[in-house]
Amino acid sequence: SQTIHQWPATLVQPVGSPLSLECTVEGTSNPNLYWYRQAAGRGLQLLFYSIGIDQISSEVPQNLSASRPQDRQFILSSKKLLLSDSGFYLCAWSLTSGPYEQYFGPGTRLTVT
Amino acid sequence: AQSVSQHNHHVILSEAASLELGCNYSYGGTVNLFWYVQYPGQHLQLLLKYFSGDPLVKGIKGFEAEFIKSKFSFNLRKPSVQWSDTAEYFCAVNARGSQGNLIFGKGTKLSVKP
Repeated sequence: SQTIHQWPATLVQPVGSPLSLECTVEGTSNPNLYWYRQAAGRGLQLLFYSIGIDQISSEVPQNLSASRPQDRQFILSSKKLLLSDSGFYLCAWSLTSGPYEQYFGPGTRLTVT
Repeated sequence: AQSVSQHNHHVILSEAASLELGCNYSYGGTVNLFWYVQYPGQHLQLLLKYFSGDPLVKGIKGFEAEFIKSKFSFNLRKPSVQWSDTAEYFCAVNARGSQGNLIFGKGTKLSVKP
């Protein structure tokens, strides 16, 4: 069966520091991968999605970037964190053909101080 | 642009009460529809989904949802809730051919009193 891992689970970082969040999927090949940010009362906002290695689309202009160095690894990064980057970050995967139901990881709680 | 509206921010029910959570979407084309649930301290989980066929779909834990195309709605129902249904519920939509980019509603928090 497929599993999705995210780490770290929680992170506290000062403003201006760099960020790297990692997501890996096991048990499937060449999945679509997604990064979301969840804010209380505002649902989930899609940040990036990837249909393959080095194929990444950004949905919202951000102080963030994403990379996919391996088939089942998806990384969310920032060079300099802002206070507004605080939130709960979720990674998800889906198959590469419709209907693209997505399966979510446990998330990372990021607090920027 | 696509959007999803969930009309209730917080619903409070007693055990055994019936539940209906509203979800409306705006998109003119063919869509796939989903309900996700997030129990306290747990992952976001798929509750049920609609792709095609019978517009009444059944999911886990006794939940069901009905797709009404003319109303652009996909409401979630359960005849009798339990305390363990306390969670946040999210409706989501993706357009066919969109590579699965899900548009989520803002969520509805359900509190069930024992």
